[in-house]
Amino acid sequence: QVQLQESGPGLVKPSQTLSLTCTVSGGSISSGNYYWSWIRQVAGEGLEWIGDIYTSGSTNFNPSLKSRVTISVDTSKNQFSLKLNSVTAADTAVYYCARRTYFSTSNWFDPWGHGTLVTVSS
Amino acid sequence: DIQMTQSPSSLSASVGDRVTITCRASQSISNYLNWYQQRPGKAPKLLIYAASTLQTGVPSRFTGSGSGTFFTLTISSLQPEDFATYSCQQSYSTLWTFGQGTKVEVK
Repeated sequence: QVQLQESGPGLVKPSQTLSLTCTVSGGSISSGNYYWSWIRQVAGEGLEWIGDIYTSGSTNFNPSLKSRVTISVDTSKNQFSLKLNSVTAADTAVYYCARRTYFSTSNWFDPWGHGTLVTVSS
Repeated sequence: DIQMTQSPSSLSASVGDRVTITCRASQSISNYLNWYQQRPGKAPKLLIYAASTLQTGVPSRFTGSGSGTFFTLTISSLQPEDFATYSCQQSYSTLWTFGQGTKVEVK
C-alpha cells in the first residue's frame, strides 16, 4: 500500500523559499500511470492544487502560482519536492502531497500525505 | 477556472441520520467529479471518483450522484467515524479545483 509523507521546515521567513519533500513508500514512484502532486489548504479555505510532476519530469502548474513554483522528482530516492519562492503570509497553509491517478479520462488524488503546516513569518 | 460550490458549509447530524451534501460546478463537468473525506489530523481520503464510483474499501453507505453541474454525496446512515469535512473536486479541467468543504458535526 503506497504511503506518502511530507517533510520540511515548518517556519519560513517572508520573501524566502519554501521547500518541502514528499517521500513515497510501499511502491515505486516510477511505476504506473501516476502524477505526483502538491496541494495546499489555507486555514478556513478549500484545497488548492499547486502542481504536479510525472516521473519523466513533465510538470503541470496552477497558473496562479506557476511563476513561483518548482516541482522536481528524484526517482532514486522515491521522492518528489516542492519549492515555492518569494513567500508571503498568504502562503501559510497546510501542504499536502498526493498521487494523481490518470485513468481513461478521469483523474483523482489518492493517496495523500498527512500534510505539514508551513507558517510564513519573520 | 471552474468554481466548485458546496452546500451547506456545515451541518449538524446524529448517528444514524441520512446526510446529503451538494456540490455545484460553475460550468458543465460531465461526471468528472470526485469526493474526499478529511478527518481532523488525518490525510484526506478519496471516497468517490467519476461522480458515482466508490473507491475500493469505502463503505457502501456513501453514495455519489449527479452530472453536468449538480452533484450530491449521500451518507445513508451516519456513523461515528463519518464526522469529518467533505470536499468535492472537479477533474474536467486540468486546473483541478476543489469545493470549500462541508463540515459534518455532531448534533
